[in-house]
Amino acid sequence: QSALTQPASVSGSPGQSITISCTGTSSDIGSFDLVSWYQQHPGTAPKLILYEDTKRPSGVPNRFSGSKSDNTASLTISGLQADDEADYYCFSYSSSDTWMFGGGTKVTVL
Amino acid sequence: QVTLRESGPALVKPTQTLTVTCTFSGFSLKTTGMCVSWVRQPPGKALEWLALINWDDDKYYSPSLKNRLTISKDTSKNQVVLTMTNMDPVDTATYFCARICSGGICYDDALDIWGQGTRITVSS
Repeated sequence: QSALTQPASVSGSPGQSITISCTGTSSDIGSFDLVSWYQQHPGTAPKLILYEDTKRPSGVPNRFSGSKSDNTASLTISGLQADDEADYYCFSYSSSDTWMFGGGTKVTVL
Repeated sequence: QVTLRESGPALVKPTQTLTVTCTFSGFSLKTTGMCVSWVRQPPGKALEWLALINWDDDKYYSPSLKNRLTISKDTSKNQVVLTMTNMDPVDTATYFCARICSGGICYDDALDIWGQGTRITVSS
């Protein structure tokens, strides 16, 4: 069982939009609407920013949005801000009764 | 308010068994749908899911670590304990516990509340 595949890094200028992909298989992302996304600033615990592929928890700005197509989920950050500079991880349930993270994506605000 | 806090030894010797404890408040593991999961993160590396225990005492483990892990709960103390045998320097990491729910009682299958983590170093 391999981790979900994310790009190592993505960058953008303030105000721009960026998209982070998370690719799995038909046994995980492709079979369930259970992808969640986390933001992690250095030295802190991850923070939930999306769940069930596209839903935002209370308090998360609508600049963060999610989508999914086949075995790939995506996180889009619109109106990029300096505080969005962080590591982002996807997380999904798998049909083998396990869960897995992506390898993480470092977002840099130029 | 939901909180979780991890505790454990800062230093473990190779081949020893690690025991880390997650003490939580603001929810009960007797509630249908409630679960607690363990996640670790080696320095500078990605998050790795380790194990999960649910309200019904069902236990799930990472396939790659299944033979070394045991997760258990003590609902009277609001604690979840993870043990990992045969520790190696590559197991050096921050170990987090987090709440995860199912059945619509919170954010389904998402780690919605995390502890601050406990840093474990494996070295002789």
